[in-house]
Amino acid sequence: QSVLTQPPSVSAAPGQRVTISCSGSSSNIGNNYVFWYQQFPGTAPKLLIYDSDKRPSGIPDRFSGSKSGTSATLGISGLQTGDEADYYCGTWDSSLTAGVFGGGTKLTVL
Amino acid sequence: EVQLVESGGDFVQPGGSLRLSCAASGFSFSSYWMVWVRQTPGKGLIWVSRINDDGSIVHYADSVKGRFTISRDNAKNMVYLQMSSLRDEDTAVYYCGRERWAFPDYWGQGTLVSVSS
Repeated sequence: QSVLTQPPSVSAAPGQRVTISCSGSSSNIGNNYVFWYQQFPGTAPKLLIYDSDKRPSGIPDRFSGSKSGTSATLGISGLQTGDEADYYCGTWDSSLTAGVFGGGTKLTVL
Repeated sequence: EVQLVESGGDFVQPGGSLRLSCAASGFSFSSYWMVWVRQTPGKGLIWVSRINDDGSIVHYADSVKGRFTISRDNAKNMVYLQMSSLRDEDTAVYYCGRERWAFPDYWGQGTLVSVSS
């Protein structure tokens, strides 16, 4: 039971757009930046989105992040089979004085 | 190029101790906070600990507080995680990261800690 709630899985067809939600509270998402990571099996996670809506250099603009209130969303457009991976959100929790992650979402590109 | 290389993972019995190390290069190490994150095999990411640029501020997840100690040596560009009173549930791949607002912007490849009798 993670502090941040993500759907366990999402799926969509190639070329479509998918969104992954990350729900928290005022002590975490509501007042702190959100980070999104992509992880392929057997490899370290990779930063996709930082500061809630910014992309590191090298990350395609097909990936986008947004935040509203106590929820955040990762959007992936123009889905490719290579996007099949696990996606995690994370943020600081001011009450816990610790970082917290969502449970992760497995993306399947049908 | 930012590089982070963890080492020190091993098999250890419950109640035992282990020190993980992370060698950093490719950036001004002494200017950055650093963070440790772990991942139980087949499970999700768990935030573990962070340390500020000069080592004077540290934070821990409740699950490791009192058992783990994070430290750094800016002269050697190293960050450490001293783990004691290890439990079965501490079994995980441990990643170190260069930190941005408590989360990694760069990750190491991870080192496996296995706690079992």
